[in-house]
Amino acid sequence: AQSVTQPDIHITVSEGASLELRCNYSYGATPYLFWYVQSPGQGLQLLLKYFSGDTLVQGIKGFEAEFKRSQSSFNLRKPSVHWSDAAEYFCAAGSPGYSTLTFGKGTMLLVSP
Amino acid sequence: DTAVSQTPKYLVTQMGNDKSIKCEQNLGHDTMYWYKQDSKKFLKIMFSYNNKELIINETVPNRFSPKSPDKAHLNLHINSLELGDSAVYFCASSSSGDTQYFGPGTRLTVL
Repeated sequence: AQSVTQPDIHITVSEGASLELRCNYSYGATPYLFWYVQSPGQGLQLLLKYFSGDTLVQGIKGFEAEFKRSQSSFNLRKPSVHWSDAAEYFCAAGSPGYSTLTFGKGTMLLVSP
Repeated sequence: DTAVSQTPKYLVTQMGNDKSIKCEQNLGHDTMYWYKQDSKKFLKIMFSYNNKELIINETVPNRFSPKSPDKAHLNLHINSLELGDSAVYFCASSSSGDTQYFGPGTRLTVL
């Protein structure tokens, strides 16, 4: 069965420190991969996506993610976290030509002063 | 210039009532979706429509009935609401096989 795993439920990072959020997928073939962010009471905003090509993708708000086929991973990174980055982050996957997304359970990012 | 909009944003109702949530997208997309986010923030697909035709119907009770009057709209009607229906419902849209864009969500509370 297709699945997306985000092993960390919560992560706390100091403002200005670097961030890495983990995401692993289990799919029959290499899926399309996405990271979305959800601020409290808000909808989901797309941060970045990977379809094919360069395995390091750049997104909005200074985020990047690296696709590693050998590890079935698509980890999200940011070199310096800002307090406004505190939110819930969702990794998602879809099959090429997909109709729906499979989401991970989310990682809540807390930013300490 | 909102891309995907939903109304209402909040919906509080009694068990047994019937309610509808509306979704509209102005992105020119041909595919629209409904997702349910439960109290633990888990997101799961409910329905998917492509060019007004139902293409995905996950194991959702038949009390839930989506309706797509045109490609820009996908409404969700829920009959005989139950406590377990309390959740945040997200509408999304995409061009076939491309990135999905989400609405702001509708928080449904069933009392």
